[in-house]
Amino acid sequence: EAQVTQNPRYLITVTGKKLTVTCSQNMNHEYMSWYRQDPGLGLRQIYYSMNVEVTDKGDVPEGYKVSRKEKRNFPLILESPSPNQTSLYFCASAKRGKNIQYFGAGTRLSVL
Amino acid sequence: AQSVTQLGSHVSVSEGALVLLRCNYSSSVPPYLFWYVQYPNQGLQLLLKYTSAATLVKGINGFEAEFKKSETSFHLTKPSAHMSDAAEYFCAVSDQGGKLIFGQGTELSVKP
Repeated sequence: EAQVTQNPRYLITVTGKKLTVTCSQNMNHEYMSWYRQDPGLGLRQIYYSMNVEVTDKGDVPEGYKVSRKEKRNFPLILESPSPNQTSLYFCASAKRGKNIQYFGAGTRLSVL
Repeated sequence: AQSVTQLGSHVSVSEGALVLLRCNYSSSVPPYLFWYVQYPNQGLQLLLKYTSAATLVKGINGFEAEFKKSETSFHLTKPSAHMSDAAEYFCAVSDQGGKLIFGQGTELSVKP
């Protein structure tokens, strides 16, 4: 089954404790992206990647890092999480040249 | 710069009534336009997309949207609401590069 898989689905952590949210897709998509969803703001792009070893900032990249060492994986790293990063995070992927993005089920993060 | 505005953060309709969710966009280039639906505790699922073919686009679950260039609108409609349509709906615009810009979202409630 074609899918985008995020882990974990729920995470509670404390300020300053490094964490990684994993994202994996099995559709051989070149494009991958991370979004955060906050009430009244819709989804905002954090980082995206056009292909392996190619990443770029989205609209709200501060406090986040990403890497794209393999085509299927695009982890989101919070080196020192802060409470304002409490949010619902989505990973998405798309085939190059196609505008349809496929989304994971989301990761709800709470930073205390 | 591209942007999307969804009018109304909450819309409530009765079962069997018309659903109308409003979306206006701004784009300096011919846009790609999308409607996504998010059911509780799930990721986003594509409802329909406009990519410069027919201006009336039919999607899944009986939804459709009409692209009106003169009004820069892409409103989502369904003739008869069903309880299972209760969800959050996002309008999004994209350019050739594939980046999605989302609206703020509209939560649809369906009353029995």
